[in-house]
Amino acid sequence: SQTIHQWPATLVQPVGSPLSLECTVEGTSNPNLYWYRQAAGRGLQLLFYSVGIGQISSEVPQNLSASRPQDRQFILSSKKLLLSDSGFYLCASPKGTISGELFFGEGSRLTVL
Amino acid sequence: KQEVTQIPAALSVPEGENLVLNCSFTDSAIYNLQWFRQDPGKGLTSLLLIQSSQREQTSGRLNASLDKSSGRSTLYIAASQPGDSATYLCAVTPWQETSGSRLTFGEGTQLTVNP
Repeated sequence: SQTIHQWPATLVQPVGSPLSLECTVEGTSNPNLYWYRQAAGRGLQLLFYSVGIGQISSEVPQNLSASRPQDRQFILSSKKLLLSDSGFYLCASPKGTISGELFFGEGSRLTVL
Repeated sequence: KQEVTQIPAALSVPEGENLVLNCSFTDSAIYNLQWFRQDPGKGLTSLLLIQSSQREQTSGRLNASLDKSSGRSTLYIAASQPGDSATYLCAVTPWQETSGSRLTFGEGTQLTVNP
């Protein structure tokens, strides 16, 4: 069955520090991976999507970057965190290749102080 | 640009009541519409997916309908239970995203079912 592992689950970081959030996917044939952010009081916003190794598309200009070093691994990074980077980060993968149904990981909660 | 709106933002009902959550979207060129459940501090769990050619989907006490022409979907929950308390999110996939899932989400309806 499809699983998405995200870590760390919770992170508290000072402003200006670096960030690395990891996502690992198992049990899916669809190569696409997504990073969404859910900020307090706001809906989910798509940050990045990747259709394969080394292929990253950014949906919104921001302080973050993403990388796809391996087929099953998707990493969200920042060199210097801002207060506005606080939020709940969710990695997602489609179920299969036809329906478009999306499967989410358990998320990583980032608090920037 | 697609916009998804969910009404109400919050809803509190007594146990056993039937209820309807509403979702509207501005661009009817969608591939599918999905309803998700999110418990506090957790990821999203997919509840129902309706393809653009379908009118409704059912799973247990849940029934989701889709009226693409009017840009509306409803999630009907029958005989609500305290365990149904969560935030319910709807999301649409644009028509050109047939294998990917670049969803546009609403902000959700926070449901509380009181025992």
